[in-house]
Amino acid sequence: AQTVTQSQPEMSVQEAETVTLSCTYDTSESDYYLFWYKQPPSRQMILVIRQEAYKQQNATENRFSVNFQKAAKSFSLKISDSQLGDAAMYFCAYRSADGTASKLTFGTGTRLQVTL
Amino acid sequence: SQTIHQWPATLVQPVGSPLSLECTVEGTSNPNLYWYRQAAGRGLQLLFYSVGIGQISSEVPQNLSASRPQDRQFILSSKKLLLSDSGFYLCAWNLGAYEQYFGPGTRLTVT
Repeated sequence: AQTVTQSQPEMSVQEAETVTLSCTYDTSESDYYLFWYKQPPSRQMILVIRQEAYKQQNATENRFSVNFQKAAKSFSLKISDSQLGDAAMYFCAYRSADGTASKLTFGTGTRLQVTL
Repeated sequence: SQTIHQWPATLVQPVGSPLSLECTVEGTSNPNLYWYRQAAGRGLQLLFYSVGIGQISSEVPQNLSASRPQDRQFILSSKKLLLSDSGFYLCAWNLGAYEQYFGPGTRLTVT
């Protein structure tokens, strides 16, 4: 079974600065997807970014980018120019490329605080 | 565009009472549907998923059950709630291989 580990329960960043959230995963599969989801105080899960394992290029969405290291099974999220609205729980998630249903395995999350 | 609804938003139920949480998706056909539970301060745990009407797969044996009576409707039920059933319940949908989209969630407190 796949596991996802987020070793940073909490992180803090100053507004306009850059922060990196860590995620590692364990799998024996070669083809899979990785995601970062954001959960603000409203608790609705919002997709931040997606990475396909077969792509070597790191995904980028505006101020959010990932550092995907397949051999190391590492998938970190970098938030540039942090804003107050970025304060939330961030979850890393893994999805196998096999199967009809795309079941997600989540990490335990990192709470990001953004300070002035 | 697609939207996903969950109700109720908040629920307080006594131990031993029944439960019914509903999730509906609009704007798409034959989606995969998922129920997750999030305990306080923890990540999401997949409870059930469904790839079609009447097709339910259980990930964790427990006090809950799920049903999919219609293509875009997913229901989470229990005959008798336990204290340990308290948590935040999220429904999600997707098509095929793509990312899941989550509903607003239901906060359940069992007293």
